Amino acid sequence: DTGVSQDPRHKITKRGQNVTFRCDPISEHNRLYWYRQTLGQGPEFLTYFQNEAQLEKSRLLSDRFSAERPKGSFSTLEIQRTEQGDSAMYLCASSFATGTPVYGYTFGSGTRLTVV
Amino acid sequence: TQLLEQSPQFLSIQEGENLTVYCNSSSVFSSLQWYRQEPGEGPVLLVTVVTGGEVKKLKRLTFQFGDARKDSSLHITAAQPGDTGLYLCAGYNNAGNMLTFGGGTRLMVKP
Repeated sequence: DTGVSQDPRHKITKRGQNVTFRCDPISEHNRLYWYRQTLGQGPEFLTYFQNEAQLEKSRLLSDRFSAERPKGSFSTLEIQRTEQGDSAMYLCASSFATGTPVYGYTFGSGTRLTVV
Repeated sequence: TQLLEQSPQFLSIQEGENLTVYCNSSSVFSSLQWYRQEPGEGPVLLVTVVTGGEVKKLKRLTFQFGDARKDSSLHITAAQPGDTGLYLCAGYNNAGNMLTFGGGTRLMVKP
C-alpha cells in the first residue's frame, strides 16, 4: 500500500468555478476524513466517513461543499461556485475505526486550492 | 467545542538548543497526539499519549500528557535543523471519532 493519495496536488481556479478533489485512502482503513488548512494554521475538520456513510459534518461545510464516498473506498470533495476564501490546503486522512482511539491518522499530501 | 491552544506559535532557535512546546485546553481528552508537518505535505504522527501523567520518549523528543488529560508538552533536546517544521497537537473528542487540532507551533532550527 502506498499510503493516502490525493489528486490533484495543486489546483488554480477562477472564482465561481466548481472543483472536485479525490482521495484514495489506505485500503484497510474504513474511516476517511477531510480537513482544511490555511497557511500557518492547524487543520480544521470538515467531514468524515465510516465506510460509505458520512457520519459527521462541520458547520464549516457550507452548502457549496459536498463529499461522497460511494463504495466505501475513495472519496471526492466538491466545491461549487468557489470563492477566494476557499483557498486553502485540503487534507484527506484515513484511519482504523477502533474502540480505543490510540491509532493516528495517515494523511495524504493534500490538494492546494488557489481561487483567483 | 473542544479547543487546543499551542504556544509558542513561532520558535526560532540555534542548533543544539533545547525547547518546549505547550498544548493546552480547558477540556479533557481521551487521548492526545502530536504530529509534525513539513511544507507541502500532510501531518505525520509522532506519538499518542493516553494516560494522565504519561511520558513518552522518541529519541530526542519527550512527550508528556498532563495528569488531568487537559494539556501536553513536547520537549526537544539538542535541536537539529532536521527538526524544523510545524508541530501540531491533536485531541480525540469524547466519542473517540474525530481529532481536533491545535493551531500549531512553527519551529525553525538554524545551523
